[in-house]
Amino acid sequence: SQQGEEDPQALSIQEGENATMNCSYKTSINNLQWYRQNSGRGLVHLILIRSNEREKHSGRLRVTLDTSKKSSSLLITASRAADTASYFCAERKKSSGDKLTFGTGTRLAVRP
Amino acid sequence: EAGVTQSPTHLIKTRGQQATLRCSPISGHTSVYWYQQALGLGLQFLLWYDEGEERNRGNFPPRFSGRQFPNYSSELNVNALELEDSALYLCASSFFGTGPDTQYFGPGTRLTVL
Repeated sequence: SQQGEEDPQALSIQEGENATMNCSYKTSINNLQWYRQNSGRGLVHLILIRSNEREKHSGRLRVTLDTSKKSSSLLITASRAADTASYFCAERKKSSGDKLTFGTGTRLAVRP
Repeated sequence: EAGVTQSPTHLIKTRGQQATLRCSPISGHTSVYWYQQALGLGLQFLLWYDEGEERNRGNFPPRFSGRQFPNYSSELNVNALELEDSALYLCASSFFGTGPDTQYFGPGTRLTVL
């Protein structure tokens, strides 16, 4: 199955700045989820946005979803060095059972 | 509450051998998913088990197989190992049913094939 694409592939910012990552997908979805991965370890679920939602907030995270453009964005405000990680979007599609299809990820580096 | 656990943390095998990876889901979760994350590639879906049955399978050869036990823990077996099987194997669990379908991931098993 095709994976979504994320951009940028890598992002380096200064602590305190905002970081924006984008994700595009190709087919209809039930929901889209964002995960974080530190140094090649397990993934941590950050936020889930359903196909009938347009925006969702969780702490310093803001996720938007545009189903007409088949795209989503993750904004991390007031970034911290501890936010340094890889971020993945994952589509849950209506036709694919319960599996998630992950994007290629964005590597975020936050400089102290 | 304990999270998803995986064992072993690291596994080193030689080409042609078999590898067995284990996963224990969060208590109450009935679904277990396996993903492969090879270096430089994204996460690729391998297998989904729910209530002891294989529900879905990714685009992997039959030498990748697994099972789910009555206590919902799961095993992933990789036979006839090839060099390109070297990867981080991640297990996730969720409660398949009503409610949010968030998957919770374990720390992974890093398999190295020499």
